Amino acid sequence: QVQLVQSGTEVEKPGSSVKVSCKASGGTFINSVFYWVRQAPGHGLEWMGGLIPALGTPDYSQKFQGRVTISADVSTTTTYLELSSLRSEDTAVYYCADIRGPWGQGTLVTVSS
Amino acid sequence: DIVMTQSPDSLAVSLGERATINCKSSQSLLYNSNNKNYLAWFQQKPGQPPKLLIYWASTRESGVPDRFSGSGSGTDFTLTISSLQAEDVAVYYCQQYYNAPSITFGQGTRLEIK
Repeated sequence: QVQLVQSGTEVEKPGSSVKVSCKASGGTFINSVFYWVRQAPGHGLEWMGGLIPALGTPDYSQKFQGRVTISADVSTTTTYLELSSLRSEDTAVYYCADIRGPWGQGTLVTVSS
Repeated sequence: DIVMTQSPDSLAVSLGERATINCKSSQSLLYNSNNKNYLAWFQQKPGQPPKLLIYWASTRESGVPDRFSGSGSGTDFTLTISSLQAEDVAVYYCQQYYNAPSITFGQGTRLEIK
């Protein structure tokens, strides 16, 4: 059974960057399909991008193009989401997920001066 | 991009009654080579990540009670809860994964007890 464990809460200043990690265990990492979703307070689920480690090239939502980088480290079975030029509207819970069903526990990112 | 539209936005149903949530996609999610619909349903309770209920439009995830069922094909899909229980109060999302890892969600349907 695949399990995803994310890094902890982040508090960032406007204009800075944040990098969230998501460690996978219990499955075949390289052939998995991972994606990142965020959820602002009181809002729905918003897809940011995804990655198949075996193929290497991420796919990004147009909304975040130029600000988001998704990567994977096969040696540590970890995927990463990096979001730059942070603004207050980026305050949200960020989730990683595997297309087969499991989700990480979520990482709260707060952007505040 | 594939747009997913759910209806209704919110729903109140009495305990023991049937709840029905609809989801429409802007293009067909049926992949002809394997005859599968790339549509999933998730349940999200406050403070928790979404939980997978249904995939391939109608296959129940292991451990999900059989009062949950999914149906539909092509562009129109339905999630049915046959007999609503108190623990089913949640927000429900449909998701298309036809072009995974590019995926999209419906806007969500809030289910409450009447």
